[in-house]
Amino acid sequence: GDSVTQMEGPVTLSEEAFLTINCTYTATGYPSLFWYVQYPGEGLQLLLKATKADDKGSNKGFEATYRKETTSFHLEKGSVQVSDSAVYFCALSDLSFGNEKLTFGTGTRLTIIP
Amino acid sequence: ETGVTQTPRHLVMGMTNKKSLKCEQHLGHNAMYWYKQSAKKPLELMFVYSLEERVENNSVPSRFSPECPNSSHLFLHLHTLQPEDSALYLCASSPQSSYNSPLHFGNGTRLTVT
Repeated sequence: GDSVTQMEGPVTLSEEAFLTINCTYTATGYPSLFWYVQYPGEGLQLLLKATKADDKGSNKGFEATYRKETTSFHLEKGSVQVSDSAVYFCALSDLSFGNEKLTFGTGTRLTIIP
Repeated sequence: ETGVTQTPRHLVMGMTNKKSLKCEQHLGHNAMYWYKQSAKKPLELMFVYSLEERVENNSVPSRFSPECPNSSHLFLHLHTLQPEDSALYLCASSPQSSYNSPLHFGNGTRLTVT
């Protein structure tokens, strides 16, 4: 079945550091890929998405490129801020099944220190 | 404000109690979802409703009973829960249940079963 593996946290960085959170997936079909972010005390929010190979999703300075050859969708940001502290979830949605089979990773907690 | 409102934000209940979680969305979406978020585990999809019909039930114990009276409201009725049911319960909605239609989450109900 489909699965998502993302790097274990927690991740702690200093402000203005470069961020990478790794995400790899397995899927039987042609999935869409997503990053969701959960700020303290809130639900998940869509951060960015990519629907086909080589697409790059971007939002709020974050980027992720859909790499079919490596089945990866790593999240990157060039210069993080304290306000980026949150839990980040990688997810995939399989074309065959739709949101009924949206599969999430376990989440990576990110803390940015001033 | 995400457009998806969940009440209550926090709930403490004994194992013999009956309670209900409520979710409301006024985004005009056709699909609604219940997820369970437990520490260090991927989000677990519990139920999906599309156009007020249940389309997914992921082997959830019968002590959890969903209800979707209309496309804007979703309930999760709880009875005779176990301590391991303590978690954050997230409601989400989407325009439709297709594979690249992102989810809009509420802030969740933090449930503690004593």
